[in-house]
Amino acid sequence: KQEVTQIPAALSVPEGENLVLNCSFTDSAIYNLQWFRQDPGKGLTSLLLIQSSQREQTSGRLNASLDKSSGRSTLYIAASQPGDSATYLCAVRSGTNAGKSTFGDGTTLTVKP
Amino acid sequence: DGGITQSPKYLFRKEGQNVTLSCEQNLNHDAMYWYRQDPGQGLRLIYYSQIVNDFQKGDIAEGYSVSREKKESFPLTVTSAQKNPTAFYLCASSRTSGASTDTQYFGPGTRLTVL
Repeated sequence: KQEVTQIPAALSVPEGENLVLNCSFTDSAIYNLQWFRQDPGKGLTSLLLIQSSQREQTSGRLNASLDKSSGRSTLYIAASQPGDSATYLCAVRSGTNAGKSTFGDGTTLTVKP
Repeated sequence: DGGITQSPKYLFRKEGQNVTLSCEQNLNHDAMYWYRQDPGQGLRLIYYSQIVNDFQKGDIAEGYSVSREKKESFPLTVTSAQKNPTAFYLCASSRTSGASTDTQYFGPGTRLTVL
């Protein structure tokens, strides 16, 4: 059974700092890994999707990497801003029936002005 | 305006009642999903559907039921058999369910509270 872990559970940084969020998974036979952002009381917004054959994806100040062999992904946020404050979730799609995604519990990020 | 809509935004249920949460998408996606989120936790899969008239149980299907009679609609019924239904419910869709390129898109969620 796939298990996804996100460390740390919470992170507080001053504005302008670069930061890394971590996601680890136990079964490396994945279809893809997706990073999401969730604001309080809202749905999830997709940030980046990395296919199993890819090593990284970039969008603006965000860069996500994937290392299947070690079961790890990182989300790098450059020059953080107060508007980046949210919970970040990673989700791994895997299994014999590819319809299932397993989510981590998320990292809650606070960027202080 | 394309996307996923969920209604209602807030729902209150009395003990012993069944309630139905609505999820509609106009993205022409084949696959749809229902997740439950409890405070401070990630999402857990309740049911998913890869195509019309087909659906499969996720990890926590007990006490829930679904139907998929139309491509754009995937309603979730929370039955009285669900002992702890208070949670935030999220609906999602993707173009298919088996491609490595498939991105899941989420609705705004329904917050269910048992009185």
